[in-house]
Amino acid sequence: GENVEQHPSTLSVQEGDSAVIKCTYSDSASNYFPWYKQELGKRPQLIIDIRSNVGEKKDQRIAVTLNKTAKHFSLHITETQPEDSAVYFCAASVTGGFKTIFGAGTRLFVKA
Amino acid sequence: NAGVTQTPKFQVLKTGQSMTLQCAQDMNHEYMSWYRQDPGMGLRLIHYSVGAGITDQGEVPNGYNVSRSTTEDFPLRLLSAAPSQTSVYFCASSLDRANNQPQHFGDGTRLSIL
Repeated sequence: GENVEQHPSTLSVQEGDSAVIKCTYSDSASNYFPWYKQELGKRPQLIIDIRSNVGEKKDQRIAVTLNKTAKHFSLHITETQPEDSAVYFCAASVTGGFKTIFGAGTRLFVKA
Repeated sequence: NAGVTQTPKFQVLKTGQSMTLQCAQDMNHEYMSWYRQDPGMGLRLIHYSVGAGITDQGEVPNGYNVSRSTTEDFPLRLLSAAPSQTSVYFCASSLDRANNQPQHFGDGTRLSIL
């Protein structure tokens, strides 16, 4: 079955710096890759997603890139702010496969 | 719309007890799922449903049952609680059964088994 690995498990950056979180997946049929942000004690919420027919997607300070050949995708956050501090999860799924598999999460600390 | 509503928010059980975690959504979503979240292990899929009357197992289904009698409700039953089931449980839903749409999560149920 699908396996998603996420690195690093913890990331600490200075306010204003960029943060990059990387994920790899095992099932080459995966075609939908969402990213979720979870603040302490709260529910996970979608921040951006990408489908396999595009290589990059951007939404203000957040971007996601996808390399289908290497089976990895990354989240890029620019100009980080203290409110970006949270746990970030990547995930992968296959259309009609009915299962979304999540990475183990990255705890991001943004120091003011 | 309330979105995805989970009850209770907190629960403490003794080993061997049974209970049902409730989940309801008012968005007319076809797909619903249950995850457990443990430190360092992300969100692991327990069971899912692609529509009323249809359920299937996820990654970690042992010790749990589900049913989907209506589009709105997807309860999770712990048959005989064990300390290993201490976790935070999240219910989620998405629009279509193809599962390539964003999932909407409930607020979670924090469950402790003594």
